[in-house]
Amino acid sequence: QVQLQASGPGLVKPSQTLSLTCSVSGASITSGPYYWSWFRQPAGKGLEWLGRVYTSGSTNYSPSLKSRISMSVDMSRNQLSLDLSSVTAADTAVYYCATGVGWQLPLKPEDNWGQGVLVTVSS
Amino acid sequence: DIQLTQSPSSLSASVGDRVTISCRASQGIGNYLAWFQQKPGKTPKYLIFSASTLQSGVPLRFSGSGSGTDFTLTITNLQPEDFVTYYCQQYEHYPLTFGQGTRLEMK
Repeated sequence: QVQLQASGPGLVKPSQTLSLTCSVSGASITSGPYYWSWFRQPAGKGLEWLGRVYTSGSTNYSPSLKSRISMSVDMSRNQLSLDLSSVTAADTAVYYCATGVGWQLPLKPEDNWGQGVLVTVSS
Repeated sequence: DIQLTQSPSSLSASVGDRVTISCRASQGIGNYLAWFQQKPGKTPKYLIFSASTLQSGVPLRFSGSGSGTDFTLTITNLQPEDFVTYYCQQYEHYPLTFGQGTRLEMK
């Protein structure tokens, strides 16, 4: 069973870069059929998809974040990473990493979510 | 972006009731719609994909239907643990988008 654990600083200052990692156990991050997404959820609000990264390293990002977001896979550490630059208070949320498996398009929603990590943007 | 509108935003019901939650897409998405359940403070749980296919382990009192732009999640014989929040998600087009959520409350 693949397990995911997101981690990172709980507090980020406005205008700085939010950097999170997602440690993966139970599978190789470069295993072909897996794909990996980040989501977030502000307190009391709904879910937002941020982007998806594939084992090849290619990505799809939410257009609303495209100029600020970067996602990658670190094969040596079996981790995903998320960088979100120029953060504001609107980026305060619980951030989740998640994974799905399969090749058929369109890819099914990620069915395995890690525990979220709360990130607060504040000076 | 494809907008998903869920209705109602909140719903009151009793244990044993049958409820339906609607999800309408701003354009056709075939049957590429999923439903998630989220308990307070917990990770979302994936219930249904392809509009009507239950994920393994999901109780049979949950069912989904619809295609194109109109979709429904139905829960029969409500159990106490079902009184949480539900989201629809479309996955035909990037960006993946969610409905705003429906909170199911105990009457």
